[in-house]
Amino acid sequence: AQSVTQLDSQVPVFEEAPVELRCNYSSSVSVYLFWYVQYPNQGLQLLLKYLSGSTLVKGINGFEAEFNKSQTSFHLRKPSVHISDTAEYFCAVSRGGYQKVTFGTGTKLQVIP
Amino acid sequence: DGGITQSPKYLFRKEGQNVTLSCEQNLNHDAMYWYRQDPGQGLRLIYYSQIVNDFQKGDIAEGYSVSREKKESFPLTVTSAQKNPTAFYLCASMKGNYGYTFGSGTRLTVV
Repeated sequence: AQSVTQLDSQVPVFEEAPVELRCNYSSSVSVYLFWYVQYPNQGLQLLLKYLSGSTLVKGINGFEAEFNKSQTSFHLRKPSVHISDTAEYFCAVSRGGYQKVTFGTGTKLQVIP
Repeated sequence: DGGITQSPKYLFRKEGQNVTLSCEQNLNHDAMYWYRQDPGQGLRLIYYSQIVNDFQKGDIAEGYSVSREKKESFPLTVTSAQKNPTAFYLCASMKGNYGYTFGSGTRLTVV
C-alpha cells in the first residue's frame, strides 16, 4: 500500500517571500511522485512530476521539488511567491503505468499582499 | 484544443434519484478515472477504466456505477444507494506515466 502525508493544511506567506510545501510518502516499492495545483472550483493541474533521473524537478509557474529517497519526501518550493499562487496544492504518488494514484489531503497556500 | 469536458458544472439531486455525470475526452488517452473530493479529505478514487468495456472499483465505489462503451467517454452514475453524495466530482484521464489530465469538475448537491 502507498500513502501520502501533507503535513500542513494551510500555509500563509507574504508576497515575494519563499515557500516550501511539505510532502512525505510511504511505499514498499519504487514510486512516481507528482504535485498538482487546484484553483477554486476548478480541476487539478499538473505542476511537476518525478519519474526518474535528477532528483531536482522543475515545473510550471517557477515551482520546483526535490525527491529525497532516504527521507521519503518530495517537498515543493518556490523562491518568490505571487498573489496568483494562492491555491490548494496536492502531492500524489503512483507505482506507474495505470496504477492507482494516491493523493494527499492538500495544502492551501495563501499569499498575503 | 484537446482536453476533458465534464458536464454539468453544477447538479442538484433529490433524495432517491439517480443522476449521471458526463466525462468526455479527446486526448486519445486509454485510462480514465473518477474521483470524489470532500473538504479536508483530498481526492478519493471511485472507479477507473484502463480500456474500453472494462473498469475497476476504486476505494469508495459503493453507491456509484460507471460504463466505458467508448474510449472517449466515461460517465458516472450516482445512485440512490449513495447516502452522502454531496461533493465535488473530478474526472481524469492518463496516458502512460505522464500524470493525470483533469476536467473542471461537477459539483453535486443533494436538495
